[in-house]
Amino acid sequence: DARVTQTPRHKVTEMGQEVTMRCQPILGHNTVFWYRQTMMQGLELLAYFRNRAPLDDSGMPKDRFSAEMPDATLATLKIQPSEPRDSAVYFCASGQSRDRGRSGTDEQFFGPGTRLTVL
Amino acid sequence: GDSVTQMEGPVTLSEEAFLTINCTYTATGYPSLFWYVQYPGEGLQLLLKATKADDKGSNKGFEATYRKETTSFHLEKGSVQVSDSAVYFCARRNTGGFKTIFGAGTRLFVKA
Repeated sequence: DARVTQTPRHKVTEMGQEVTMRCQPILGHNTVFWYRQTMMQGLELLAYFRNRAPLDDSGMPKDRFSAEMPDATLATLKIQPSEPRDSAVYFCASGQSRDRGRSGTDEQFFGPGTRLTVL
Repeated sequence: GDSVTQMEGPVTLSEEAFLTINCTYTATGYPSLFWYVQYPGEGLQLLLKATKADDKGSNKGFEATYRKETTSFHLEKGSVQVSDSAVYFCARRNTGGFKTIFGAGTRLFVKA
């Protein structure tokens, strides 16, 4: 069945290193979201895209985080340089918003997450 | 701005007990309302939803009714099981919008 996939599932890196997380949304979905989950802050929306265009990235620290969709099957979230406070689980989610006469859904489908640890 | 407030956890219950997790939302616009569940080590998944006032969403024995007069969407289940242990998130999304606003989550522990 269709699922959102994320790679890697786990990443341990040292402070200052670049981290790239990848997400493959469900085929045909036109919205993609990046979330960060920590015990202290809960679930935070970092950025989201519709039809590959970034709509809102106000939740993202701009100086070190960047999010892109090189094509409809791939979304990336990069952190450069990484810091220990970036340690968290990062989730990607996709959905289908109503678009050009096509039916949509309110639901977001989440991937399994990337657990990032920055030492 | 738009927000969702849900009861703090953790909630600890014995198997077969009745569950209520409270959720209230800000009354701007005409939002759709959701409950998502997150099992350990997994992403969130939709549990149920309601798109207009007085609608009742239900799934796997869980229910929630969209109450516009009290701006609430409380989650209930008549008899919980150990396998229901998870974190439950209440959420809202404005009609025509793209963003979903999530509550802080409520952790449920069910003891055998």
